[in-house]
Amino acid sequence: AQSVTQLGSHVSVSEGALVLLRCNYSSSVPPYLFWYVQYPNQGLQLLLKYTTGATLVKGINGFEAEFKKSETSFHLTKPSAHMSDAAEYFCAVSSYNQGGKLIFGQGTELSVKP
Amino acid sequence: SAVISQKPSRDICQRGTSLTIQCQVDSQVTMMFWYRQQPGQSLTLIATANQGSEATYESGFVIDKFPISRPNLTFSTLTVSNMSPEDSSIYLCSVGQTSTEAFFGQGTRLTVV
Repeated sequence: AQSVTQLGSHVSVSEGALVLLRCNYSSSVPPYLFWYVQYPNQGLQLLLKYTTGATLVKGINGFEAEFKKSETSFHLTKPSAHMSDAAEYFCAVSSYNQGGKLIFGQGTELSVKP
Repeated sequence: SAVISQKPSRDICQRGTSLTIQCQVDSQVTMMFWYRQQPGQSLTLIATANQGSEATYESGFVIDKFPISRPNLTFSTLTVSNMSPEDSSIYLCSVGQTSTEAFFGQGTRLTVV
């Protein structure tokens, strides 16, 4: 079985500050890990993903995440927050044998203060 | 990537009625999925839409309530039957060619009154 836990349902940062959104997973097989962003009244947009290979993954809009197997984590970071980053962020897990089915975390709402 | 069109984008329906949501993809895809996002909640997988056979439902979801069709590799429908206010959610279609990708439609915002 697989599961995802996102620590913090709401994170608030100041514009220009570091963004850190936490994601821990549980998986009995090698995981595929994803971060999606959902802007108000919109669908989900893929930010980045880890499947195999390099553990530090770079995505769109300056975001990156590092897969740490020993910590079962896949935290999302961005060095400098922008007002346009305010949105809901979802971490999700899958694996080679899931055929594209995703298990989502609870989501983290990111607010960016001017 | 894949371009996914969902119709309708939103609807307000009377309780006891049914709504059919369409998902059209611009290319043939192997996997199609339907998710539900209840207000303020995360996404929960309803079912996998299998081409040419019955959908595979997740625990807590049944065919009588959420019948799904998938007549070909680019199209699927999800029907929400005998709706109640608890069915008010965003319903999202997702597609992927492999286990390493999943793309989402814009979703259908359903309000049941």
